[in-house]
Amino acid sequence: EPEVTQTPSHQVTQMGQEVILRCVPISNHLYFYWYRQILGQKVEFLVSFYNNEISEKSEIFDDQFSVERPDGSNFTLKIRSTKLEDSAMYFCASSEVGYSGYTFGSGTRLTVV
Amino acid sequence: AQSVTQLDSQVPVFEEAPVELRCNYSSSVSVYLFWYVQYPNQGLQLLLKYLSGSTLVKGINGFEAEFNKSQTSFHLRKPSVHISDTAEYFCAVSDKKGGSNYKLTFGKGTLLTVNP
Repeated sequence: EPEVTQTPSHQVTQMGQEVILRCVPISNHLYFYWYRQILGQKVEFLVSFYNNEISEKSEIFDDQFSVERPDGSNFTLKIRSTKLEDSAMYFCASSEVGYSGYTFGSGTRLTVV
Repeated sequence: AQSVTQLDSQVPVFEEAPVELRCNYSSSVSVYLFWYVQYPNQGLQLLLKYLSGSTLVKGINGFEAEFNKSQTSFHLRKPSVHISDTAEYFCAVSDKKGGSNYKLTFGKGTLLTVNP
């Protein structure tokens, strides 16, 4: 069964550093998403991406965040200057045209120290 | 705006007992409904979904859920649980407006613990 692949699975970074989280969505999917889950809390929407542009973003997705689909297969989330409160599990997801739900990746656990 | 309420944060049950995990939602428009499961230190796996049609949907691992529009509920059930069902279960909703965004709104999750 097709999968959404996320790398790395774990990343530790120092506060103030830039991080890039990578995702390879399912090849025929056209809608892409990032969600995050702070430890012990619910999964929160960050951003959705379609047709090479952001279609919606949450209040969490401020100027420190950006997304990109640089080469037609990867979908990246960049955090420019990480804060302690950015520590969370970040999930990438994709869905196809004629929506029938998402496929989530297994997540990247980001720890900011 | 949508919201999802999972009333039970934790549900302990004994193996082979039936279980129901409750989910209520609030939305001003028609919705799609989902249940996801998260095993320890893993990602989110889709258990089942309601998009349209029959209100009783069956998913993987013997789970099923019933959409009740009048009560705005989508409770998850399993007639006999196993130790391996121990996990966090999330109910989620997205609206049917279509277009370029199907944002999911999640509930806070229910931790199902199956004891021997």
